[in-house]
Amino acid sequence: AQSVTQPDIHITVSEGASLELRCNYSYGATPYLFWYVQSPGQGLQLLLKYFSGDTLVQGIKGFEAEFKRSQSSFNLRKPSVHWSDAAEYFCAVGAGTASKLTFGTGTRLQVTL
Amino acid sequence: NAGVTQTPKFQVLKTGQSMTLQCAQDMNHEYMSWYRQDPGMGLRLIHYSVGAGITDQGEVPNGYNVSRSTTEDFPLRLLSAAPSQTSVYFCASSYGTGWETQYFGPGTRLLVL
Repeated sequence: AQSVTQPDIHITVSEGASLELRCNYSYGATPYLFWYVQSPGQGLQLLLKYFSGDTLVQGIKGFEAEFKRSQSSFNLRKPSVHWSDAAEYFCAVGAGTASKLTFGTGTRLQVTL
Repeated sequence: NAGVTQTPKFQVLKTGQSMTLQCAQDMNHEYMSWYRQDPGMGLRLIHYSVGAGITDQGEVPNGYNVSRSTTEDFPLRLLSAAPSQTSVYFCASSYGTGWETQYFGPGTRLLVL
């Protein structure tokens, strides 16, 4: 069975600084990988996804993620964080049908001004 | 489009009471699912449906029932609420049963006393 680890529970960055959120997955084959964002009191919104092809994936709101098979990682990055990026971020891995989507425990991002 | 809607937004139940969490989508999506979100545990799949009349269990189905009589609606029933079901519940939908983007509702916060 697949699994996802987000090792950072809480991260604080200054506005304008760069951001990297870590995600490690466990799955025997090439997985489907996702990053979702959840603003306070809201549902989840898809930032980006990786299925195959180019290992650097561009998403919405200026985010990108890089799939590294050798490290079983799919880290999320943003070159310059805005205060509105404060939210909780979830990495997810999928296998088989969409019923097999497994979420990580999330990383809460705080942005200081 | 209203997207995915959920009612109620917040509910308090006593142990043993029953209730139905409503979920509706107006995007003509075939795939719908229910997740629960608990602190430090990410989102876990409860039940899902790949189309009207078809439902299946996810990771944590015990204590919950679902049905899918129409494409638009996917209610989640708690027959006898327990404190362990205190959680935030999210409904999601997507166009197909593959890895199309899932659209999440705003959530229902449930407290079982």
